[in-house]
Parts: sequence; C-alpha cells; structure tokens
Amino acid sequence: SAVISQKPSRDICQRGTSLTIQCQVDSQVTMMFWYRQQPGQSLTLIATANQGSEATYESGFVIDKFPISRPNLTFSTLTVSNMSPEDSSIYLCSVYTGTSAYEQYFGPGTRLTVT
Amino acid sequence: DQQVKQNSPSLSVQEGRISILNCDYTNSMFDYFLWYKKYPAEGPTFLISISSIKDKNEDGRFTVFLNKSAKHLSLHIVPSQPGDSAVYFCAASLTDKLIFGTGTRLQVFP
Repeated sequence: SAVISQKPSRDICQRGTSLTIQCQVDSQVTMMFWYRQQPGQSLTLIATANQGSEATYESGFVIDKFPISRPNLTFSTLTVSNMSPEDSSIYLCSVYTGTSAYEQYFGPGTRLTVT
Repeated sequence: DQQVKQNSPSLSVQEGRISILNCDYTNSMFDYFLWYKKYPAEGPTFLISISSIKDKNEDGRFTVFLNKSAKHLSLHIVPSQPGDSAVYFCAASLTDKLIFGTGTRLQVFP
C-alpha cells in the first residue's frame, strides 16, 4: 500500500477563480490518477498523471480546465480552472503500486465548494 | 453508459448478521473486480478483489463472489459490525483503469 496526503483538505472558492490541489505519496509509484466525486455520484476518473509528460485525460475532461502536473514519482497537482458551481465536488488522487489486481490507494480527498 | 451498477443505494443490517452488497457490470473484458469502503471525509479504502477467472475470494469476514455468466458480483460481510457502516463501492478494472459503481450505503445497527 501507500500513504497519500492531499492539500488542501477543503476549500471554498469564488466562481471564476482557480484552485490547485496537491497530492504527495510516501513512496515512488508507477501511476497516479485524479478522480472527481460529485455530490451523490460515483467516482469518475479525470485523468492519469504521467511523470514527465502530459496527462492522459478521460472523455469529457480537458487540459485547459484541469491542468495536471507530475514532476516526479511521488507528487502531482491538479488545478481546477475558471471554476463554476458545477465544479463543487470531492477531488481525489490515487496511486497504483503495480500489484496484479490493479488496486489503487486513495488520498483523503479535497472537498471543493464553488460559490 | 454505466458499465458498473449498484442498484441498491442503501442497506440496513443488524449487527452479527450477514450483509450482502451487489454489483452488476456490462463489459465482459473487465479483468479484476474490487470492493472499496468509504467513510465520510475520507478517501475510499481497498477491501478485497477478485480476478475474472475466479468465482470466490475470501479475506477474513469479507467474501466476494463472481458470477461471470450473469455479470454479477457480490460482497458478503459476516458477521456485520457497527464499524462496517460506510458506503461501499464496487469497481472493475480495464488494465490499469478503474470504473466505479454508484455505491451502496450500509448501516449496521445494534
């Protein structure tokens, strides 16, 4: 497994602003992911954060809205840009440590409220 | 298109009894199925997984059953404890990506 921390744990932001969420892992990991959980919904994969290259985005998510960085094997950031109330969600990072069952380990999440 | 579905949004079980959480999927290419537990204000915690080539996997009080012909899996918790009260998500993996169901809120009462 891995120990994952996220900052901030929660934030309240104004419409039109941007927020950068940080994810730190206690060991080097193969893959890092960013998810969104909207109120009452499931977890939806936003993108795979690739070390040293551009992130791979899922359908419906674009780099201009959710720029991602991954400068090394233990750290990644997700920025939520030009926020609107529809961006109010929990944002979670996760890591895959290379086991056979593809289990991912999740950070505690960042609860974002956009007013 | 929801590839992984949990049709029961909530389940209430008495302490000591069995909890059965169900999950259905549509894509026969999924190679692993996983269950996660989520407490409020925390990230999901991995519980147990099963390979698509198996039909049962057991870990302590938790057992997962897979019925490939029905594209159905279930998580059994025996005996249920109040600390098991949480939201349970099933997930399916397609190589390294996980697709999650909508979750079932389990409440275990004394």
